[in-house]
Amino acid sequence: AQSVTQLDSHVSVSEGTPVLLRCNYSSSYSPSLFWYVQHPNKGLQLLLKYTSAATLVKGINGFEAEFKKSETSFHLTKPSAHMSDAAEYFCVVRPQGTGNQFYFGTGTSLTVIP
Amino acid sequence: NAGVTQTPKFRVLKTGQSMTLLCAQDMNHEYMYWYRQDPGMGLRLIHYSVGEGTTAKGEVPDGYNVSRLKKQNFLLGLESAAPSQTSVYFCASSYRLAGGDEQFFGPGTRLTVL
Repeated sequence: AQSVTQLDSHVSVSEGTPVLLRCNYSSSYSPSLFWYVQHPNKGLQLLLKYTSAATLVKGINGFEAEFKKSETSFHLTKPSAHMSDAAEYFCVVRPQGTGNQFYFGTGTSLTVIP
Repeated sequence: NAGVTQTPKFRVLKTGQSMTLLCAQDMNHEYMYWYRQDPGMGLRLIHYSVGEGTTAKGEVPDGYNVSRLKKQNFLLGLESAAPSQTSVYFCASSYRLAGGDEQFFGPGTRLTVL
């Protein structure tokens, strides 16, 4: 069975401090992993993706994520939060060999305090 | 390129009414998807299509039907709307199976069923 767990439903950080959004997955096969961001009343935008190349993946807007197979984790980080980072973040897994279905976490709402 | 577009953006229905949501993509993607997003539940897959003329059920297909008569369009139908179908609906598309290709999302349709 495939599943994605986002460990925090809400994260609050001060502007200029680091961001850590946690994601664990379970997958029977080597997965592709994604982080999407959704700003209020908007669609989802891809931040970054892991596709079995480098385990440290850099995305847009200064975000990056590290794939750790031993921990089945794909946590999203950013060194310094900006007010514009306030949004909902979704971790998504696409297991290989199981068709083209994507499995979404329940989301983490990021608040940035000025 | 317009990417993925959805019509309408907003709709209010009465219980028992029917409607069709239209999704269109101009990226020549083989795969298309319909999701619903509800608070605290992430995105859940309703139906998807792996090519023109084919459709398949996702996680929550009951009460919905779909059609993919043209490669660029994917229609989601509600034959008899119920208040439980109040949600935000997102369409997405992706290339056919090519390790890690991400989904591209439309802006969403906010549906309220009274």
